[in-house]
Amino acid sequence: DIQMTQSPSFLSASVGDRVTINCKASQNINKYLNWYQQKLGEAPKRLIYNTNNLQTGIPSRFSGSGSGTDYTLTISSLQPEDFATYFCLQHNSFPMYTFGAGTKLELK
Amino acid sequence: EVQLVESGGGLVKPGSSLKLSCVASGFTFSSYGMHWIRQAPKKGLEWIALIYYDSSNKYYADSVKGRFTISRDNSKNTLYLEMNSLRSEDTAMYYCAKSVSPDYWGQGVMVTVSS
Repeated sequence: DIQMTQSPSFLSASVGDRVTINCKASQNINKYLNWYQQKLGEAPKRLIYNTNNLQTGIPSRFSGSGSGTDYTLTISSLQPEDFATYFCLQHNSFPMYTFGAGTKLELK
Repeated sequence: EVQLVESGGGLVKPGSSLKLSCVASGFTFSSYGMHWIRQAPKKGLEWIALIYYDSSNKYYADSVKGRFTISRDNSKNTLYLEMNSLRSEDTAMYYCAKSVSPDYWGQGVMVTVSS
């Protein structure tokens, strides 16, 4: 199975900050990497699909990059509504998808 | 607006069975593959099952293979997960999710397996 190592697990930041969250795969996942946001009690929301494609309706301050085994989610200027948990999903190894452990983004 | 609403969770004893449902709306349900994904308390997310749009193919994680069955009724826009021989380690929030590359998820339903 492909293992996804997500970092950091916790991140404290302020409104307006630029933040990055990383996922490292145990092998090449060919850019089949999605990013999700989850708030307490809500359904996870897809932000980015296939590394760098912005989901319809998601603000452009969210962006994704990467290739091979290393992927990054960037939030260019944090807004109050962005404080949430973020996780990655690799869907290269169909159908044995695997997830990162999550990053909890908290207000500093 | 895409909506996925799970139901059927609860507290059950080890060895028992439970059937989850996921009612879909806001899209053509019969055109999309659907997943079940779970998250145990204080643990990460785990993909557990996928069914093709026409039920022609079904896939399972090793952790549930032989115990869980994914199915769907396209006439009712409903996805199911039949869970048998439940174990304490099956305690989790269970989510349904749309599309082979999951885009929309439900809010989840809690399943607790405890004596």
